[in-house]
Amino acid sequence: RKEVEQDPGPFNVPEGATVAFNCTYSNSASQSFFWYRQDCRKEPKLLMSVYSSGNEDGRFTAQLNRASQYISLLIRDSKLSDSATYLCVVMGLSNAGNMLTFGGGTRLMVKP
Amino acid sequence: GAVVSQHPSWVICKSGTSVKIECRSLDFQATTMFWYRQFPKQSLMLMATSNEGSKATYEQGVEKDKFLINHASLTLSTLTVTSAHPEDSSFYICSARRLAGAREQYFGPGTRLTVT
Repeated sequence: RKEVEQDPGPFNVPEGATVAFNCTYSNSASQSFFWYRQDCRKEPKLLMSVYSSGNEDGRFTAQLNRASQYISLLIRDSKLSDSATYLCVVMGLSNAGNMLTFGGGTRLMVKP
Repeated sequence: GAVVSQHPSWVICKSGTSVKIECRSLDFQATTMFWYRQFPKQSLMLMATSNEGSKATYEQGVEKDKFLINHASLTLSTLTVTSAHPEDSSFYICSARRLAGAREQYFGPGTRLTVT
């Protein structure tokens, strides 16, 4: 079982749609959680951190359920520029200190 | 702030040659730098973690003699792919962490390596 699992998609949605991505993680000792966005042939960029209380940043809402080891990202009013791969990322402890483990990514394509 | 650069951004080399990739933190001192590899349509996989002045910690399955990591200063880490083969062709991305134990990592723009 992968440490961080995501539906690879692609999710094809029209502009203005609401779309939700889910992610599960296997290590219950994981400490911090993030969503990153990666455009084709570019480095990943931090979209937002995820907190148990849920957090919102404009059109983006992230939620964490520690009991179920489940993370979600909701995008409202999708824009063409939201087309990208969204990476669920979990931080935990390793011998070398804090390390990030990336999910396989969910590809989103927003169409006019 | 918190800019990380990589050089070169892309490189094509012949099988059997060695390639060095540099990762620099431009406006901060990085106590720890990470090297990742990403194959097409796959996610980032951590290769190794390096702390300034000490030996890198390699992830399981990553050959330390093939992927040489040097972290000689707080702003520079290098990854050398020795005797590169076509299966080493990948997108190599570094990231840097400002403080020990800090949550955030800042990613470089990546280096696309193609071995012919």
